[in-house]
Amino acid sequence: DQQVKQNSPSLSVQEGRISILNCDYTNSMFDYFLWYKKYPAEGPTFLISISSIKDKNEDGRFTVFLNKSAKHLSLHIVPSQPGDSAVYFCAAVGSGTYKYIFGTGTRLKVLA
Amino acid sequence: DTAVSQTPKYLVTQMGNDKSIKCEQNLGHDTMYWYKQDSKKFLKIMFSYNNKELIINETVPNRFSPKSPDKAHLNLHINSLELGDSAVYFCASSQEIYLGGGQRTSGSLSGANVLTFGAGSRLTVL
Repeated sequence: DQQVKQNSPSLSVQEGRISILNCDYTNSMFDYFLWYKKYPAEGPTFLISISSIKDKNEDGRFTVFLNKSAKHLSLHIVPSQPGDSAVYFCAAVGSGTYKYIFGTGTRLKVLA
Repeated sequence: DTAVSQTPKYLVTQMGNDKSIKCEQNLGHDTMYWYKQDSKKFLKIMFSYNNKELIINETVPNRFSPKSPDKAHLNLHINSLELGDSAVYFCASSQEIYLGGGQRTSGSLSGANVLTFGAGSRLTVL
């Protein structure tokens, strides 16, 4: 039972354009969401997070949007840069579970 | 200075052997985790310790045994290795366990509940 889903395994975007990565979840107890970036042969690194009291959080070129009614979050990267090419994981955690549940990842390729 | 370090980075071994992977964090965090990333790239939680106490024990074979000698270390011992154990194992830590309360916090929290990962240990069982 995959509680956090990233339905697009890959995405290609031109440099300078916007990248939009999507994530859906099923567990309504989740109230804190995170995005991680992963390069080959490295561990995931934290990018940005959002709690359920917000619907948007920005950090530089990265913005995360949360739509609680749709149980959907998205990560916007603008402008996209070749160095953003990596696998992006969304993760969710909820009250009383302690467990961070990860999606299966989306491989982003930013074309120069 | 590596925040979460795992050893070994690569491990190739035969079926039936017993092996250990070690993890150390120098962040002063209270909580540590083991995740497994299989061939399908799922990142699945296996175990978590908070202040040396086991708080998450997912449905994994009992051939896997975590040990936390102190807050800064979480080791993973695997007995009688099988082909299906081949995977990348990631250690992670967070300052504290997440108790919920997204309602109380600001958009990005203070970082206390962000997981910091090690670089992973790739285990290959032949």
